[in-house]
Amino acid sequence: GAVVSQHPSWVICKSGTSVKIECRSLDFQATTMFWYRQFPKQSLMLMATSNEGSKATYEQGVEKDKFLINHASLTLSTLTVTSAHPEDSSFYICSASVLSDEQYFGPGTRLTVT
Amino acid sequence: GESVGLHLPTLSVQEGDNSIINCAYSNSASDYFIWYKQESGKGPQFIIDIRSNMDKRQGQRVTVLLNKTVKHLSLQIAATQPGDSAVYFCAENDNTGFQKLVFGTGTRLLVSP
Repeated sequence: GAVVSQHPSWVICKSGTSVKIECRSLDFQATTMFWYRQFPKQSLMLMATSNEGSKATYEQGVEKDKFLINHASLTLSTLTVTSAHPEDSSFYICSASVLSDEQYFGPGTRLTVT
Repeated sequence: GESVGLHLPTLSVQEGDNSIINCAYSNSASDYFIWYKQESGKGPQFIIDIRSNMDKRQGQRVTVLLNKTVKHLSLQIAATQPGDSAVYFCAENDNTGFQKLVFGTGTRLLVSP
């Protein structure tokens, strides 16, 4: 149980375009979903926290107009990177939790912006 | 705080040895700690957790030790196997009520057969 999926697993896009990443909890309803970014050989950095039906809470330094998060249901959250640039190339990981401390992580999405 | 630097600390061990991976956490108010294993190109995988009212917890081949006095966490892996090779992260729940996790910088474990 407690499986989280992400789609796509990898994506290449051109500079200036937007890309959407989906995060789904497959066998449970997630009250909260989290989005992380991880650069090569670095740790996971929390970007934002989202609760179903409400606006996401962004961490300091994360541009909310650039990284749009939608948490439309208890099983789906999406992250849209708008007007992507090469410096946005990273590994994006989501996690989901159900009213507890434990977070269940997705497999990650590798974004490459050319 | 932010994770900086482009080089992960690396621990190299022989198969069968015991491994100890250390982590210093930052927030004395944190009350929940987790160790994750991350293989290349994959998301973090839960290994073991511990709450601040405990100082030791054991799982299958793994033990986590918590020293709140010096804000130190360690992960011990017994009889390390090549499949244990990965990057290991500690994470702390900053106890703000929002379930946010703050990840440590990570340690790469290399297990030689």
